[in-house]
Amino acid sequence: QVQLQESGPGLVKPSETLSLTCAVSGYSISSGYYWGWIRQPPGKGLEWIGSIYHSGSTYYNPSLKSRVTISVDTSKNQFSLKLSSVTAADTAVYYCARQGMVRGVIMNAWFDPWGQGTLVTVSS
Amino acid sequence: QSALTQPASVSGSPGQSITISCTGTSSDVGSYNLVSWYQQHPGKAPKLMIYEGSKRPSGVSNRFSGSKSGNTASLTISGLQAEDEADYYCCSYAGSSTYVVFGGGTKLTVL
Repeated sequence: QVQLQESGPGLVKPSETLSLTCAVSGYSISSGYYWGWIRQPPGKGLEWIGSIYHSGSTYYNPSLKSRVTISVDTSKNQFSLKLSSVTAADTAVYYCARQGMVRGVIMNAWFDPWGQGTLVTVSS
Repeated sequence: QSALTQPASVSGSPGQSITISCTGTSSDVGSYNLVSWYQQHPGKAPKLMIYEGSKRPSGVSNRFSGSKSGNTASLTISGLQAEDEADYYCCSYAGSSTYVVFGGGTKLTVL
């Protein structure tokens, strides 16, 4: 059974960098799939942040691309998110999830399973 | 403003069927059969209900079904039950520059 768990600071100051890690158990990241980050501001909808292929190729939401970095550490079976120059608008629950593929290579648009999510508040 | 358009709310009585629409464009929903649907209860992570337009993951009730016509995808829930009351989100692949877009979400109320 694949499980994902987000971890990282729950409070980040404006203009600083948000850093989160997603630990994966029950499946080796290096074996395949894409691995994604999705966020949800309080009371609002879901927003895809970006994804990383098991090989290390990255794909970002164009609206966040200039501030986002996603990386993978296969030795620890985890992947990470960094979001720079944060503002209050970046306050959200951040989820990590496994993302599907089409024909074993092309990115799909399904996410399963998801981590439980972690609330990150941007405030001084 | 979300890339995919969903109604803010829908409602139905137990036993009835409801349909939630998800309207995109020819660059996303219309071009790829890669629409997924998620159910989210308050305070919980989203749960995958439908993928690739109409496929159900193992363990998801066959009361949930998905379809697509043109630029609009739909989620139908038949035989409504109280536990179906939740927020529902659609998601689509949107090509090699935008990649993934979500709908704004629909709140389902079971009367």
